[in-house]
This record gives sequence, structure tokens and C-alpha cells, in this order.
Amino acid sequence: GAVVSQHPSWVICKSGTSVKIECRSLDFQATTMFWYRQFPKQSLMLMATSNEGSKATYEQGVEKDKFLINHASLTLSTLTVTSAHPEDSSFYICSATQSIGTEAFFGQGTRLTVV
Amino acid sequence: QQQVKQSPQSLIVQKGGISIINCAYENTAFDYFPWYQQFPGKGPALLIAIRPDVSEKKEGRFTISFNKSAKQFSLHIMDSQPGDSATYFCAASGNQFYFGTGTSLTVIP
Repeated sequence: GAVVSQHPSWVICKSGTSVKIECRSLDFQATTMFWYRQFPKQSLMLMATSNEGSKATYEQGVEKDKFLINHASLTLSTLTVTSAHPEDSSFYICSATQSIGTEAFFGQGTRLTVV
Repeated sequence: QQQVKQSPQSLIVQKGGISIINCAYENTAFDYFPWYQQFPGKGPALLIAIRPDVSEKKEGRFTISFNKSAKQFSLHIMDSQPGDSATYFCAASGNQFYFGTGTSLTVIP
């Protein structure tokens, strides 16, 4: 299957700082990328959908000013957690698809710990 | 509203047995139904997927059964192995992906 690379795989940051997570599609052009948050032993919660060159569409309850998403190219999307707090600690996962209704491939996930 | 309902929440199967996980969806506009396997600390990996124009798809030990009229689909893992122990998510896709709540599968030797 296609490869989606997510970086970093884990990060620890101090409360109040910002953290950027990158999601790259390595062997295909990702028209659409999705960002998810996953709590332990729970399902994936969609945070936002981003299309290349457009503003991201955020799910209800997700603060767009806190979780900044940029999808500047067909192979790269970034999620920046601004002014992180301990409650933002979670597993963040991206996925990418060439077009809606086709396979979506996931990154390895990023474990964020805010101390 | 939960777009995709998945059951059971957890499943324990003896090695060599058949694992069955079920999902149901509401939106008839969904046209792509994948299953993902996730190990702890890793992102989900696409396992197998089906479209509504077929009723069954088999890849190795993994089979998807799809019932369009009932809006249900299921994953069957034949000859289950301890290495299959993971969390499995079904999903349904239209304009975006909607995931089931996940099933934690444990295959005991």
C-alpha cells in the first residue's frame, strides 16, 4: 500500500509552547488529508479535513485557532498544536487519500505529551 | 450520531478459530467500506476493503461480507493467530471517513 509518513512519532513539550506535526504522502499525491485524535482504547476522532490549497474544515468542538492545519502541497500537511496544555496530550494520527471514496492510508501517529 | 456502529467491543478467540466483527451503517451514500488493523502505539493499517457492488471479498485469511439491503458488513478472520491480536476498526466513506468504535481482538494460543 501507499506510504504516509508522520513526524515526529513522539514529542514532549512544556505547557504553553507550540508543537508542529508533519504528515507526508511519500508515493502519491494526497488531495485530501485527515487529522485524528485518539484517546487510549478508543476510536479515532476526526478533528479536521484538509484539501490542498484550501482552508481546513474542522469538526464541531475542535478549536481551529488551537489546532492549526496547513495543507500547502499535495504531499504535505501539518498540524500545529498552539499553546499546548496537558489536556492536549494524546495520540494524533493523520491519513491521506488521493481522492474521496478511495483508500486512505494512515501515518504512524504522534504521541504528544504536554508537561 | 454514530454513523458506523461496530460490535463487539472486545473479542477473545482461540488460536485457529474464526473471529467475526460486525458493523452497521446508516447512510446509503457511503460507497467504500474498509477495515483497518491497529497495534498499540501505531497508526491504523488498511487490511481489506469492499465496495457495495460486491457481496464478499476475500484476501488470504480475511474476508469481508457485505449486505447492502441490511446496511451491514462484517470482517471474518479465518484460522486466527496470536499475531492477529490487535484493535480492528471498520469504516465507511462518502465525503469523509467515519470509523466504528473499534474491536479489541485477543487470540489466545
